[in-house]
Amino acid sequence: DIQMTQSPSSLSASVGDRVTITCRASRSISNYLNWYQQKPGKAPKLLIFAASSLQSGVPSRFSGSGSGTDFTLTISSLQPGDFATYYCQHSYGIPQSFGQGTKLEIK
Amino acid sequence: EVQLVQSGGGLVQPGGSLRLSCAASGLTFRNYAMNWVRQAPGKGLECVSAINNNGDSTYYANSVKGRFTISRDDSRNTLYLQMGSLRPEDMAVYYCARVDWNYGGLSYWGQGSLVTVSS
Repeated sequence: DIQMTQSPSSLSASVGDRVTITCRASRSISNYLNWYQQKPGKAPKLLIFAASSLQSGVPSRFSGSGSGTDFTLTISSLQPGDFATYYCQHSYGIPQSFGQGTKLEIK
Repeated sequence: EVQLVQSGGGLVQPGGSLRLSCAASGLTFRNYAMNWVRQAPGKGLECVSAINNNGDSTYYANSVKGRFTISRDDSRNTLYLQMGSLRPEDMAVYYCARVDWNYGGLSYWGQGSLVTVSS
């Protein structure tokens, strides 16, 4: 099975900051990498699919990059509603495993 | 509008059984693979089971293999997860999710079903 490792596990930032979260796969997954945002008590929300494609309705301050084993999610200017937990997930076959999550908190 | 509406969670004793349902609307259900993803309290996301669009290929995490069964009834547009021999470590919120055709992202999720395993 492919293992996904995210870093950092938590991050403190301020409104307006630029933040980057990284995700590494245990072997190459091409660009079969998705990013989700989850707020407490809610289902995850797909932000980015295919490593860099923005899901419909997601603000353009969210962007993704990478291929192979190393990927990043960048939020260009944090807004109050962006404080949440973020997960990467590969979809390069079954099982589609998730990273352990990055909790983004207000500084 | 695509909707996935879950039912069937609740409190069950260790060793007991429970069936989760996920009723889909606003999509051609038979065309999509589906996943069950769980989240234990304060923990991350884990895909515990998956089924392809035909229903003839399934996946189970090692932690649930032999105890859980995923199935689908395309005539009812409904996904199921039959859970047996439940353990305290199975306690979690369980989500159903639709697998997108392009790149396999999960763009639609159910609202979640809380499964509590306790005596």
